[in-house]
Amino acid sequence: GAGVSQSPRYKVAKRGQDVALRCDPISGHVSLFWYQQALGQGPEFLTYFQNEAQLDKSGLPSDRFFAERPEGSVSTLKIQRTQQEDSAVYLCASSFWRDEQYFGPGTRLTVT
Amino acid sequence: SQKIEQNSEALNIQEGKTATLTCNYTNYSPAYLQWYRQDPGRGPVFLLLIRENEKEKRKERLKVTFDTTLKQSLFHITASQPADSATYLCALGGDSSYKLIFGSGTRLLVRP
Repeated sequence: GAGVSQSPRYKVAKRGQDVALRCDPISGHVSLFWYQQALGQGPEFLTYFQNEAQLDKSGLPSDRFFAERPEGSVSTLKIQRTQQEDSAVYLCASSFWRDEQYFGPGTRLTVT
Repeated sequence: SQKIEQNSEALNIQEGKTATLTCNYTNYSPAYLQWYRQDPGRGPVFLLLIRENEKEKRKERLKVTFDTTLKQSLFHITASQPADSATYLCALGGDSSYKLIFGSGTRLLVRP
């Protein structure tokens, strides 16, 4: 079956622009996670959804970051007024419950 | 604060040898520990999960140990192959939390 997909794979934004990153999780997976990964580092937790409910957004770096999963499947991570420090790979992962996570390929965001 | 340490320097070994990667942690009592593999430009791929009450787990050429007293996990790849070359990430999780806390990863290079 299809794995987790993310789009776009690459995004270049000028500082101050808004961006929206999409994640299509594996069908039937209850849990959805967003992570931020800097070069040479491990993924850092941003936010967690259980179905459509956002249960934890403690990892979001600022109020410029917003995530939603309105129907409990597809999720969107939005970053407003992008800054250079937002440049990173954004990973989405889904899981059936609290077990192994299946990651998408990531979206590489570059803010110029 | 919680801290996870993995060898920051790359591990360079000869094909056929056993690779051993280390994951140490402090200020945390995880209920389980997971190991992931990550190739350049791709998302992490789940390999193994070991729970706090398990000492060792095996899967094909992979073996993971978990010592909650030493606060350490060892990840072994026996009969290593060049195709095993990748970055390996350890991640800790708790029963009361769905979050995974990742280490920064260790890069493994297997020479033919």
